[in-house]
Amino acid sequence: DTEVTQTPKHLVMGMTNKKSLKCEQHMGHRAMYWYKQKAKKPPELMFVYSYEKLSINESVPSRFSPECPNSSLLNLHLHALQPEDSALYLCASSQFGTGSYEQYFGPGTRLTVT
Amino acid sequence: AQKITQTQPGMFVQEKEAVTLDCTYDTSDQSYGLFWYKQPSSGEMIFLIYQGSYDEQNATEGRYSLNFQKARKSANLVISASQLGDSAMYFCAMRDPSGTYKYIFGTGTRLKVLA
Repeated sequence: DTEVTQTPKHLVMGMTNKKSLKCEQHMGHRAMYWYKQKAKKPPELMFVYSYEKLSINESVPSRFSPECPNSSLLNLHLHALQPEDSALYLCASSQFGTGSYEQYFGPGTRLTVT
Repeated sequence: AQKITQTQPGMFVQEKEAVTLDCTYDTSDQSYGLFWYKQPSSGEMIFLIYQGSYDEQNATEGRYSLNFQKARKSANLVISASQLGDSAMYFCAMRDPSGTYKYIFGTGTRLKVLA
């Protein structure tokens, strides 16, 4: 099973709302990622978790707060977002190690901030 | 610094024909891997094919093959017998060989298959 699931598929939120994006994988991968993708652009890395610990934060604003409750789950908590944060948010996972491992992506959450 | 370059913003191909999507990369490391992903309009990034720098043969996966020319630092994706469902954005990527978990993506090529 090479599936990564993400919920919700679509989300519309106001600038004062608090919401969470969820991601789950059951491939035993110990590296998990959050990406932000604007239309017609490549994905931009936001966070990387390895063995449930945050290993990379690409200077993401604090209104985005990641969480990795266990080896299968990854959350992204959203608070006080701006309209420019509207984008496709992709979760991915991969094996952990020094080799080049393919990432498996979820279907994404299309976020609109009003 | 590592870099991936995709110079074709958009490509058209007739159904059932083959098409080559270009990717060049820049790295000073000897050990690295290159990936191609497909992203349909639905949004999901789908892993297609992988080529390791020490692999002696070009990678193939069904209708996808990778034309790997190490000396030229190019890793072009060849799609044979194009289908309408191949219409999508295609990204070339590599993992940052410095040991972090960053993956570097090219700017992508939008492929349109014509009936």
